[in-house]
Amino acid sequence: DGGITQSPKYLFRKEGQNVTLSCEQNLNHDAMYWYRQDPGQGLRLIYYSQIVNDFQKGDIAEGYSVSREKKESFPLTVTSAQKNPTAFYLCASSADRNYGYTFGSGTRLTVV
Amino acid sequence: EDQVTQSPEALRLQEGESSSLNCSYTVSGLRGLFWYRQDPGKGPEFLFTLYSAGEEKEKERLKATLTKKESFLHITAPKPEDSATYLCAVETAGRRALTFGSGTRLQVQP
Repeated sequence: DGGITQSPKYLFRKEGQNVTLSCEQNLNHDAMYWYRQDPGQGLRLIYYSQIVNDFQKGDIAEGYSVSREKKESFPLTVTSAQKNPTAFYLCASSADRNYGYTFGSGTRLTVV
Repeated sequence: EDQVTQSPEALRLQEGESSSLNCSYTVSGLRGLFWYRQDPGKGPEFLFTLYSAGEEKEKERLKATLTKKESFLHITAPKPEDSATYLCAVETAGRRALTFGSGTRLQVQP
């Protein structure tokens, strides 16, 4: 079945560490997105990519980095520069606005 | 700056008690308005896309409508399984990515 897979489901980060969240899709979608969700809030855009080897900053890109070397993959690195990384991270992909975005099941990142 | 505001923040209904959720927006060049459902600890699930004022779409007990300033998600005779957070989002001409509202948490009691 086609879908979008995020891993790991839970991730713990120590102060000063960089961590990378994985996002893979087999839907053949061109566009991919990363959002952050804090408790009781909506989704905020971190980065997005419309095609391979190209990506744009969203509203809260500081402290994050991404790459888009393959159509299927859009990993997100949370760097030590991100001071409040504890949140629920959601990856999505899309091909047609009529069908909206397909979201992964999310990664919950906690700083310990 | 694009703004999307949802109200109420939380809504508690009795099973069968119909109601509406509101999504008001201030954007430049609306390309589409989207509704999603999100269950706790999961990714949002796509419900509808609306493109122009006057458009309506239905799915089971849900009906979405759009005006030039806001959208409504009408829930008719809700059931406990309709309990979730409902998110509204917009896509504009200036950015090919969705801007989300903060959501409405709906609880339907048996």
